[in-house]
Amino acid sequence: DTGVSQDPRHKITKRGQNVTFRCDPISEHNRLYWYRQTLGQGPEFLTYFQNEAQLEKSRLLSDRFSAERPKGSFSTLEIQRTEQGDSAMYLCASSPLGGVLAGLDTQYFGPGTRLTVL
Amino acid sequence: KNEVEQSPQNLTAQEGEFITINCSYSVGISALHWLQQHPGGGIVSLFMLSSGKKKHGRLIATINIQEKHSSLHITASHPRDSAVYICAVAETSGSRLTFGEGTQLTVNP
Repeated sequence: DTGVSQDPRHKITKRGQNVTFRCDPISEHNRLYWYRQTLGQGPEFLTYFQNEAQLEKSRLLSDRFSAERPKGSFSTLEIQRTEQGDSAMYLCASSPLGGVLAGLDTQYFGPGTRLTVL
Repeated sequence: KNEVEQSPQNLTAQEGEFITINCSYSVGISALHWLQQHPGGGIVSLFMLSSGKKKHGRLIATINIQEKHSSLHITASHPRDSAVYICAVAETSGSRLTFGEGTQLTVNP
């Protein structure tokens, strides 16, 4: 399967612990996005990379959140000192470099990582 | 008020019915996306459109830029169409997508 993959699929952690999620985009996709989705809501944008450069970050991405894409391939999203409010589905998507604006690209989504903070 | 509003929130239909889901937005956009999300989280992109109308199989998406409104139609609905349908807009000023809350569609046999 050559789609977007995410690891782990599920993570249960205790409040205050750090967690790290990994996203492997479709090979040769230049753009990579992270979203957060809580139950019954649509996804919310967190951050966006073009190759290894983090071009945009949401105000939702507090100081406890950090994302990297060191070689322009896979990406990691780390949450430090987790809080119960961080419980959500964390979605990754990728797209090819279709044009100047990433919003015009068709995005391919991974299956998500469901985080539960106890 | 959310920048992207969908209606209805929930929709139940009988197999074979024609279905319409609506999306209104309040910002200037470069494109509008329709996505489908099945239980368990997987999201699939259905359409990206910036004007007019697109058709793929039994799905049709239309957009009216002047009225800031889009519709997703499903003809001859089938139980396998049961999913959450999400509208998302790409603002003219940036690259991020802003999503609606989704419409839960259930098609009964």
